Amino acid sequence: ETTVTQSPASLSMAVGEKVSISCKTSTDIDDDMNWYQQKSGEAPKLLISEGNTLRPGVPSRFSSSGYGTDFVFTINNVLLGDEGIYYCQQSDNVPYTFGAGTKLELK
Amino acid sequence: EVQLVESGGGLVQPGASLKLSCVASGFTFSDYWMSWVRQTPGKTMEWIGDIKYDGSYTNYAPSLKNRFTISRDNAKSTLYLQMSNVRSEDTATYYCTRGPTGSWGYWGQGVMVTVSS
Repeated sequence: ETTVTQSPASLSMAVGEKVSISCKTSTDIDDDMNWYQQKSGEAPKLLISEGNTLRPGVPSRFSSSGYGTDFVFTINNVLLGDEGIYYCQQSDNVPYTFGAGTKLELK
Repeated sequence: EVQLVESGGGLVQPGASLKLSCVASGFTFSDYWMSWVRQTPGKTMEWIGDIKYDGSYTNYAPSLKNRFTISRDNAKSTLYLQMSNVRSEDTATYYCTRGPTGSWGYWGQGVMVTVSS
C-alpha cells in the first residue's frame, strides 16, 4: 500500500500570497497524483488530475508539479474563495490513498 | 449534467448491516468504473473500493474487504455499498464517485452514517 504524507496540516495566508502544499509517497507513482479542494459542507472537487493536468474550468492560479515520490501543489495569488481543505490522492495502485489534508485559512 | 445521489444512511447500531445506494444520471452508467469513498468526522478521506463497469470485478481497501461489498445494477443506473457488522469507526460521510479509475471528477453529495448504540 502506498502511503501519502501531506504537509503542512494547516496554513493561514493573506489574500494574494502563494500557497504551496507538499505530498510525498512511499512508492514511486509516476505522475499519478490528484489534487482536490473541499469547501465547507461540500463534496471534494477535483482540481488537478494525473499528469499535473488542470481540470476544465479550474483557474490557472492552481497548478501542480512532481513525479515519482515528491509532489507540490501551488495556488498563486490566493483568494478568499480558496478557503477549504486540500487533499492529494494517488491513483497509481490500489488501494488508492489520500494525504491527511491541508486546511487553508485566509486571514 | 452528471448527477450522483446517495441514500440509505442514518443511525445504525454496532454489529448491524446497512446498504447504501447511489443513483446515477447524466451519463451512460454502464461505461464507467464506480467507487465509494468515505470521510470521517475528523476529515480523513478513505477509499473503500470500486467496481468495474460491467460489475465483473471489484477492488477493496484491505481493511474493509471482509465487511463491505460493492455491487451495481446497470439497468437501474445504481451503485450499492453493503456494509455488515458495522463499528463505531465506520461513522463517516459516504460518497459515490465516478472516474476515470482512481481520479474522481464527479462526486455525490454524500450520505452520513452514524454507528452508535
